[in-house]
Amino acid sequence: DTEVTQTPKHLVMGMTNKKSLKCEQHMGHRAMYWYKQKAKKPPELMFVYSYEKLSINESVPSRFSPECPNSSLLNLHLHALQPEDSALYLCASSQAPGAYEQYFGPGTRLTVT
Amino acid sequence: GESVGLHLPTLSVQEGDNSIINCAYSNSASDYFIWYKQESGKGPQFIIDIRSNMDKRQGQRVTVLLNKTVKHLSLQIAATQPGDSAVYFCAESPAGTALIFGKGTTLSVSS
Repeated sequence: DTEVTQTPKHLVMGMTNKKSLKCEQHMGHRAMYWYKQKAKKPPELMFVYSYEKLSINESVPSRFSPECPNSSLLNLHLHALQPEDSALYLCASSQAPGAYEQYFGPGTRLTVT
Repeated sequence: GESVGLHLPTLSVQEGDNSIINCAYSNSASDYFIWYKQESGKGPQFIIDIRSNMDKRQGQRVTVLLNKTVKHLSLQIAATQPGDSAVYFCAESPAGTALIFGKGTTLSVSS
């Protein structure tokens, strides 16, 4: 199984809502990532989890809160988002942190109204 | 700013032609490079990677060339097909750290 799954595929939320994005992989990978991608732009790294511990936070606002409950799951909790946070949120995993191929999920298309 | 970029935002080719997509990087400490293909509405899909101890690597219909002297990376696609139409991103990993993506080139293949 070389698949990274993400739910939901689409999400529309108001600025006062709380929602969560979920990501799952069963490849035994020990590094997991959250990226944000705006239209026609490259993915921008948000967070890196290495062996279930947060290792990189690219100065992401606190309205985004990551969580890694176990080695297969990665969540991104959303609260009090702004319209400019609307984007495609991609999850990825790799065998280990650093210079390894990252496998991407299909993403969650988030719209903040 | 981004340390990895592509020379052309768009590339249009005819079916059957060979395509070359270029990428320049600025971090001489980068030791791992990777090409991704992203189709509309999907996540990036791995194409091929190369480490800095190599200058060429071949896959099925694809070849990646690395020129460390001029910090240049290219992706060659042989016999381009309509299914190759997508956005192509190069990415680098400086000294084993997280990937940094370039700006992307949109490849359009007409039949």
